[in-house]
Amino acid sequence: EAGVTQSPTHLIKTRGQQATLRCSPISGHTSVYWYQQALGLGLQFLLWYDEGEERNRGNFPPRFSGRQFPNYSSELNVNALELEDSALYLCASSPLRPDSNQPQHFGDGTRLSIL
Amino acid sequence: RKEVEQDPGPFNVPEGATVAFNCTYSNSASQSFFWYRQDCRKEPKLLMSVYSSGNEDGRFTAQLNRASQYISLLIRDSKLSDSATYLCVVNRGGGADGLTFGKGTHLIIQP
Repeated sequence: EAGVTQSPTHLIKTRGQQATLRCSPISGHTSVYWYQQALGLGLQFLLWYDEGEERNRGNFPPRFSGRQFPNYSSELNVNALELEDSALYLCASSPLRPDSNQPQHFGDGTRLSIL
Repeated sequence: RKEVEQDPGPFNVPEGATVAFNCTYSNSASQSFFWYRQDCRKEPKLLMSVYSSGNEDGRFTAQLNRASQYISLLIRDSKLSDSATYLCVVNRGGGADGLTFGKGTHLIIQP
């Protein structure tokens, strides 16, 4: 079974630019989560998508946005990039079942560097 | 108080020893609990879920104490390949939220 896949592996941008990160969940998983892991910090929850809709977002400004497509893949968009956006961005997927608590499975991440 | 707290370590442990980590969480309504392992500059990988009755997977044993709101991980007969950062992870609701991660405990197994 293919795992969660993310692209690109690395992305280099400059301040003020926009970045788009992509994620494909495990087949059969409908929920996609995005996390940011900045150097020296723990993983911070960014966004949760399920069935094409944004279900919840973490404590991040509106310039962090995204969407989920009908095939459940997802994009994370970061506008007006700032130096502190440099981080590893991780995507995770899980099957959403309200009556159970499924673990999330992570992709390899996209390392975003802002120059 | 942080939602999930862990001793960052590092724990330096000789190969073959037994090592234990604890983690505390603040939200008493938390519903599910996990240990993830993260190698340097890699993605977190699920090590094991943590059940109220305690559970074991080979050399790894996880325990949950809901009354005291802490989770533990015990590693027996540690291997060099166990060197990693171990993340304590809490889910506040059935998929309704992102996972809440501790900052991790860094483990170094020494030959």
